[in-house]
Amino acid sequence: EVQLVESGGGLVQPGGSLRLSCEVSGFTFRSYWMNWVRQAPGKGLEWVANIRQDGNEKHYMDSVKGRFTISRDNTKHSLYLQMNSLRAEDTAVYYCARGGVLHGFDMWGQGTMVTV
Amino acid sequence: QSALTQPASVSGSPGQSITISCTGTTSDVGGYNYVSWYQQHPGKAPKLMIYEVTNRPSGVSSRFSGSKSGNTASLTISGLQAEDEGDYYCSSHSISGNTQYVFGTGTKVTVL
Repeated sequence: EVQLVESGGGLVQPGGSLRLSCEVSGFTFRSYWMNWVRQAPGKGLEWVANIRQDGNEKHYMDSVKGRFTISRDNTKHSLYLQMNSLRAEDTAVYYCARGGVLHGFDMWGQGTMVTV
Repeated sequence: QSALTQPASVSGSPGQSITISCTGTTSDVGGYNYVSWYQQHPGKAPKLMIYEVTNRPSGVSSRFSGSKSGNTASLTISGLQAEDEGDYYCSSHSISGNTQYVFGTGTKVTVL
């Protein structure tokens, strides 16, 4: 069974930092692009960042570029999001999502809440 | 990067068909056949329903279908059922700025 489990969310002051993790199981992690997608309370979905299978290509949405860093450890089947200089507008549930179909997200974790 | 435009709400009676539109630009919806649709129930993670405009993942009911014309994609739900109630989001690959993907504003589907 495919599983993606996020952790690391919590309450942080503006300007602070958090590191989110997403541990996966049930599929060959190193074979997939991986993404972070967030959803502010009562709002829609917003793509945040993604990372290529080997970790050597990364993309970010404009408002987090320079503040957030996506990374992965294929030996630990884990995806990470280091979030620095956090702002109130970063408050959201953060989901990790597998890029299992071309330019789409086929599997999602349950999300972790970040409150700034 | 602006969100794709969806109607805020769509409703229908059980057994009816409804269609949700998703309007973008030539930099996203109109430029690529990479539109996906997601269903989200309250407090739950999104679920992929359609990818690459028309493709259904295994396990998704054939009552769900997708299409695209120009800068507007559409999701049609046929034979509406109570379990279809929830929020629906479209998404598209985008070449606007640094953003790789843009989501729609979301549509709340109500089964009357």
